[in-house]
Amino acid sequence: DAKTTQPPSMDCAEGRAANLPCNHSTISGNEYVYWYRQIHSQGPQYIIHGLKNNETNEMASLIITEDRKSSTLILPHATLRDTAVYYCIVRGRLVNDMRFGAGTRLTVKP
Amino acid sequence: DAGVIQSPRHEVTEMGQEVTLRCKPISGHDYLFWYRQTMMRGLELLIYFNNNVPIDDSGMPEDRFSAKMPNASFSTLKIQPSEPRDSAVYFCASSLDGRETQYFGPGTRLLVL
Repeated sequence: DAKTTQPPSMDCAEGRAANLPCNHSTISGNEYVYWYRQIHSQGPQYIIHGLKNNETNEMASLIITEDRKSSTLILPHATLRDTAVYYCIVRGRLVNDMRFGAGTRLTVKP
Repeated sequence: DAGVIQSPRHEVTEMGQEVTLRCKPISGHDYLFWYRQTMMRGLELLIYFNNNVPIDDSGMPEDRFSAKMPNASFSTLKIQPSEPRDSAVYFCASSLDGRETQYFGPGTRLLVL
């Protein structure tokens, strides 16, 4: 019952930008969009989150559409170490309201 | 900060044995979460604590599972008796506030034979 839809897999060439889409058409006004990733055999790693405005940090950029029904995570210069499963999560006000879906398996190729 | 620390990283045990997983949250974080990850069900929240008090254990699969948090820097997840279907990766996470970003530990990979 995840609130998001992501493509199951994507490829990206090393050094190029990786653009990972996420649809969240039922998002509510007070719900945030969070992105995590999970590199093989490691714990989920927080990447970025946002409410309405675009956000950027040292890892990535998050672009949220004006109607907030979809977003894109951008890794500006993908490296082989960015190969992972990327999870887009819509998170409400409840503490336990962070549900991980199947995510997108990103493979960065040389 | 060292981040969330979990031990052991790997555990292999036989059916019927007691298993104890341990977690040290990030210092100053008031919330602690236990998750389980399997291929079939993905990542599921089992239980979470606020200031060492269990708040929601609705995700705990059965009475064989129990969790405690005796102080702000330590939590355990116990399975007694363990069964093969408990085989999974168990993650601990902590956050400053319940609605703030959760930071995950490296996980404990459990195999019950």
